Amino acid sequence: GAGVSQSPSNKVTEKGKDVELRCDPISGHTALYWYRQRLGQGLEFLIYFQGNSAPDKSGLPSDRFSAERTGESVSTLTIQRTQQEDSAVYLCASSPRGGGAGNQPQHFGDGTRLSIL
Amino acid sequence: GQNIDQPTEMTATEGAIVQINCTYQTSGFNGLFWYQQHAGEAPTFLSYNVLDGLEEKGRFSSFLSRSKGYSYLLLKELQMKDSASYLCAVRGDNNDMRFGAGTRLTVKP
Repeated sequence: GAGVSQSPSNKVTEKGKDVELRCDPISGHTALYWYRQRLGQGLEFLIYFQGNSAPDKSGLPSDRFSAERTGESVSTLTIQRTQQEDSAVYLCASSPRGGGAGNQPQHFGDGTRLSIL
Repeated sequence: GQNIDQPTEMTATEGAIVQINCTYQTSGFNGLFWYQQHAGEAPTFLSYNVLDGLEEKGRFSSFLSRSKGYSYLLLKELQMKDSASYLCAVRGDNNDMRFGAGTRLTVKP
């Protein structure tokens, strides 16, 4: 498809397990963002990739969270030793270019709804 | 630090006008965005301001004052389908994007 694709759409797992969430950005988009959204709350920034630059990891809440991106394509967000507080929707977004002005909004995927039992 | 503040909830009547405010304090500024998010769905882009002033797009308008760190989203001729959360987001100098907590708007008949 033409939009941002995230998988899985839903994930239920037991506390203590590791999970891996995947994001396929729109082709040609150099910028990729991960956000966490708890029920009824706003978007909490996690990490931002821009081309081949070092990612901005300033939003990652703990060292249990990590993310990788291969070039300007797929990204994976990994949460190790999950805890119940990690339950949320994880949203990925991409935009066409980085580092400058211009009306380049983010395009969001539908998110992964993560539930930790 | 980064602060982006919006009211948590607002209620308005169908057919009326509502203004949703956003104030921000960020280390860099390269544009302000408004998004709409219906419950259970992904955010969708509404508007963009990088220069001071008003941008109008149909029933929706957005205003920016960079010197005051202030923006508002104005919704006219409210419809029931406008009930949603409205998110204010600021793009920094490095193209990073930070969001406010969102304003949940309820439109009543």
